[in-house]
Amino acid sequence: KAGVTQTPRYLIKTRGQQVTLSCSPISGHRSVSWYQQTPGQGLQFLFEYFSETQRNKGNFPGRFSGRQFSNSRSEMNVSTLELGDSALYLCASSLNVGGNTIYFGEGSWLTVV
Amino acid sequence: GENVEQHPSTLSVQEGDSAVIKCTYSDSASNYFPWYKQELGKRPQLIIDIRSNVGEKKDQRIAVTLNKTAKHFSLHITETQPEDSAVYFCAARTNTGNQFYFGTGTSLTVIP
Repeated sequence: KAGVTQTPRYLIKTRGQQVTLSCSPISGHRSVSWYQQTPGQGLQFLFEYFSETQRNKGNFPGRFSGRQFSNSRSEMNVSTLELGDSALYLCASSLNVGGNTIYFGEGSWLTVV
Repeated sequence: GENVEQHPSTLSVQEGDSAVIKCTYSDSASNYFPWYKQELGKRPQLIIDIRSNVGEKKDQRIAVTLNKTAKHFSLHITETQPEDSAVYFCAARTNTGNQFYFGTGTSLTVIP
């Protein structure tokens, strides 16, 4: 069974631009969550989607948004990029909401210059 | 919300020795505690987990213990090998939603 797939793996953006990251969960998994990983802050929860609905949201500004499609694939978008948004963005999938282990993708490395 | 603290932040051991990483959590409603291993440039990978109704779990050289009263859990790696070198993260999840709260990570170096 294929794992969690994230694209693109690496990207460089300029301050003020916007970026869209994509995540395909493990086949059969319906919950997708997103995390930001930085050296200083560790892994921080962004949001979680299940059945195309946002179920949970972390403490990030409204510039960070996401969505989930009917096939459980998910995208996250960051608008008006800031230098501090440079990070590894990790997507994780699990079978359902709550009660299940999450499995991470390889992540998307975003550098904002 | 939940707050997870992890210690130490760096740990060096000689090959063959044991390594112990400790985490504390604040929310007594947390009921699931996984541990992830992240090698440089790779994804965090689940290595072991424990639920709140269990006090200890073992998987070959890896074990996790949970003390619900004290709100702490620990990862134990015995007979360490160089390939155990990585960053290890603990996490806790409450019984509402799928949000995980992660510790800040422990960089483990196993010296051959």
